[in-house]
Amino acid sequence: EVQLLESGGDLVQPGGSLRLSCAASGFTFSSYGVSWVRQAPGKGLEWVSSISGGGDATYYTESVKGRFTVSRDNSRNTLYLQMNSLRADDTALYYCAKLMGRSAAISRGVDYWGQGTLVTVSS
Amino acid sequence: DIQLTQSPSFLSASVGDRVTITCRASQGISNYLAWYQQKPGKAPKLLIYAASTLQSGVPSRFSGSGSGTEFTLTISSLQPEDFATYYCQQLNSYGPLTFGGGTKVEIK
Repeated sequence: EVQLLESGGDLVQPGGSLRLSCAASGFTFSSYGVSWVRQAPGKGLEWVSSISGGGDATYYTESVKGRFTVSRDNSRNTLYLQMNSLRADDTALYYCAKLMGRSAAISRGVDYWGQGTLVTVSS
Repeated sequence: DIQLTQSPSFLSASVGDRVTITCRASQGISNYLAWYQQKPGKAPKLLIYAASTLQSGVPSRFSGSGSGTEFTLTISSLQPEDFATYYCQQLNSYGPLTFGGGTKVEIK
């Protein structure tokens, strides 16, 4: 059974940092691209970042470029999102999502989602 | 970046109704489009991938069609458990894998 378990969400002050983790199980982690998707309270889904199965390709939405870094440790089956210079508009539930395929850019869809970890940026 | 325009943003319908949601891409994405259903407090669930392929376990009343820039999700006979918010997502971009704005389907 595929499982994605996010952790690391917390209340942080503006300008602060957090590192989110996503522990994956039930599939060959290194064979699939994975994404971070966020959802602000009462709002729609927003794609944040993706990384290819081998970790050699990464992509970011414009609003987080230079502040967030996605990475993965395939030996630990874990995805990470390092979040720096956090702003109030980064407040959201952050989902880890498994892509259908190795690529981070071209895929047929996201077939598995975690339950999310909540990031709140507030003073 | 590829933009997705989803319509309508809100839809009021009755059980048994046929419902159609449209998603338009700002440039051609072939068939790299997926549809998701999200219920309050839950993670999204994949319904359709590659524009028209039904995900395993999803009821056959859901169907998807389209290619290029225009796509549709159809629910042939709306059931009580289908009241939710639906999102499209394009996955053909060396950049943002954008989502549509969502369609909330509510009971009339």
